[in-house]
Amino acid sequence: DAGVTQSPTHLIKTRGQQVTLRCSPKSGHDTVSWYQQALGQGPQFIFQYYEEEERQRGNFPDRFSGHQFPNYSSELNVNALLLGDSALYLCASSGTSNAPYEQYFGPGTRLTVT
Amino acid sequence: SQQGEEDPQALSIQEGENATMNCSYKTSINNLQWYRQNSGRGLVHLILIRSNEREKHSGRLRVTLDTSKKSSSLLITASRAADTASYFCATTGTSGSRLTFGEGTQLTVNP
Repeated sequence: DAGVTQSPTHLIKTRGQQVTLRCSPKSGHDTVSWYQQALGQGPQFIFQYYEEEERQRGNFPDRFSGHQFPNYSSELNVNALLLGDSALYLCASSGTSNAPYEQYFGPGTRLTVT
Repeated sequence: SQQGEEDPQALSIQEGENATMNCSYKTSINNLQWYRQNSGRGLVHLILIRSNEREKHSGRLRVTLDTSKKSSSLLITASRAADTASYFCATTGTSGSRLTFGEGTQLTVNP
């Protein structure tokens, strides 16, 4: 039973560029959440997707957008990258029917913006 | 901004000792969870305690919750070097399942 997977593992981009990060949820999970974790801080909630729609959103600008596919996998897109977007981006999945509050995290994508 | 604060920010103990970490939060919650993170990688879920529970155990872990004080504590008994990691508390509000994390406690267990 595969857990949550994320790709790529590491990514280096230049200011102003755009980036797409990918996440596959744990088998049987239908909800995907994205978090940003700056160095030395706790993760911050970006948004959550369920049934291919954004269900909740944190305090992030519109440069951050996402998508969920019919197979429940998800993408996080960030446009017009800023130096401050450098962080570890974590994807978490959960199931709505069983223990919906227990979220399983992927290993993260380390994004560096230069 | 983060939901709350964790105390202490860093904790260094010897193997075999107990480690206690505290977490405070600001708003009403549905549940509180503790996660472990090794070296900036993904978070591992440790334990969940619901708002109507006061104490919960899982192996060497003991979690308490005091909703009147909006605080929780995580006790790791008989610590091991492998317990070295960052520990985060995270709360879920009364609507939705988004997690709001604290700043974390960096635990170092010396062999």
